[in-house]
Amino acid sequence: AQSVTQLDSHVSVSEGTPVLLRCNYSSSYSPSLFWYVQHPNKGLQLLLKYTSAATLVKGINGFEAEFKKSETSFHLTKPSAHMSDAAEYFCVVTGHSGNTPLVFGKGTRLSVIA
Amino acid sequence: NAGVTQTPKFRILKIGQSMTLQCAQDMNHNYMYWYRQDPGMGLKLIYYSVGAGITDKGEVPNGYNVSRSTTEDFPLRLELAAPSQTSVYFCASSYVTGGQLGTDTQYFGPGTRLTVL
Repeated sequence: AQSVTQLDSHVSVSEGTPVLLRCNYSSSYSPSLFWYVQHPNKGLQLLLKYTSAATLVKGINGFEAEFKKSETSFHLTKPSAHMSDAAEYFCVVTGHSGNTPLVFGKGTRLSVIA
Repeated sequence: NAGVTQTPKFRILKIGQSMTLQCAQDMNHNYMYWYRQDPGMGLKLIYYSVGAGITDKGEVPNGYNVSRSTTEDFPLRLELAAPSQTSVYFCASSYVTGGQLGTDTQYFGPGTRLTVL
């Protein structure tokens, strides 16, 4: 079965400093991996996705993630945090089974301090 | 193009009441999904549909029912509301072509916050 672990429930950074949100996955298959962002009281929005093409994936708003099979990781990074990046971030892996098309992590809340 | 819309935004129910959460999409997506999000947790899949007339259970289907009579609409029915169903409910849709299930991008609605007292 597929699973995903987000290693930090809360990350706090200063504006202008780098962001690192960590995600490890477990999958019996070649996984597809996603990062979604949820701003307060909003629905989820896709940031980026990996689907077995290039291992370094670039997303919206300057975010990127690198798929590392040897480490079973898919960490999300951004060189310089902006106040508008404050949100909840979810790492997601494909379920590849009939009733769990996506498996969500528990989320990491990113705070950005001015 | 409104994307995925959900109504109502908020609702308070008494134990034992029933209600329907509405979801509609105007992107001609074939797949639609219902999730619930509990505090501090990721989303859990309740039901999904691969097209009009076809639905299937997700991870947490107990206490819910769905139907999909049209491509656009995917309502979620709670028959006998219980406090355990207090949650935020998200509807999503995606376009999936043959052999690409699991690589699709899901588009989410803004959510319905439901409280059962």
